[in-house]
Amino acid sequence: AQTVTQSQPEMSVQEAETVTLSCTYDTSESDYYLFWYKQPPSRQMILVIRQEAYKQQNATENRFSVNFQKAAKSFSLKISDSQLGDAAMYFCAEETSGSRLTFGEGTQLTVNP
Amino acid sequence: DVKVTQSSRYLVKRTGEKVFLECVQDMDHENMFWYRQDPGLGLRLIYFSYDVKMKEKGDIPEGYSVSREKKERFSLILESASTNQTSMYLCASSLASSSYNSPLHFGNGTRLTVT
Repeated sequence: AQTVTQSQPEMSVQEAETVTLSCTYDTSESDYYLFWYKQPPSRQMILVIRQEAYKQQNATENRFSVNFQKAAKSFSLKISDSQLGDAAMYFCAEETSGSRLTFGEGTQLTVNP
Repeated sequence: DVKVTQSSRYLVKRTGEKVFLECVQDMDHENMFWYRQDPGLGLRLIYFSYDVKMKEKGDIPEGYSVSREKKERFSLILESASTNQTSMYLCASSLASSSYNSPLHFGNGTRLTVT
């Protein structure tokens, strides 16, 4: 069974600074998909960024980027120029099969003004 | 924009009650999912469905069942609620494709308390 691990239950960052959230996963598949979702206090899960394992290039979406290390099975999220609105719970996820996602435990990010 | 609506934001039920959690999506999505979210455990898949009348067990189906009589509606049923089912329940939907091409759309969750 696939597992996704987020080893940082909580992280904090100063506004305008950069923070990196860690994620490791375990899969026997050669091609798979990885995701970061954000859950603000409203509870609405929002897709932040996605990565196809087949592609070596790291995905980027504005201030959000990933460091995808396939051999190490690592998929970290970097948030640059952190904003107060980035404060949320962040979940790393892997697509198991047929749109089924396996999620990590989550990292609660606090942004300090 | 896709909307996934969960019928209740908060729900309080007694042990042994039969509980129905309703989820409706308005974008003709084939796939629908029920997850539960607990602190320190993340989201865990309870049941999912790829089509009407079809259902598949997820990772933690014990104590739950589901119903999908219409494409847009996916109900989660707790046959006899227990205190260990106190949790946040999230419904999601997507097109019949990889989540990479058709990301999951989530509802706002139902926080269920069983006393």
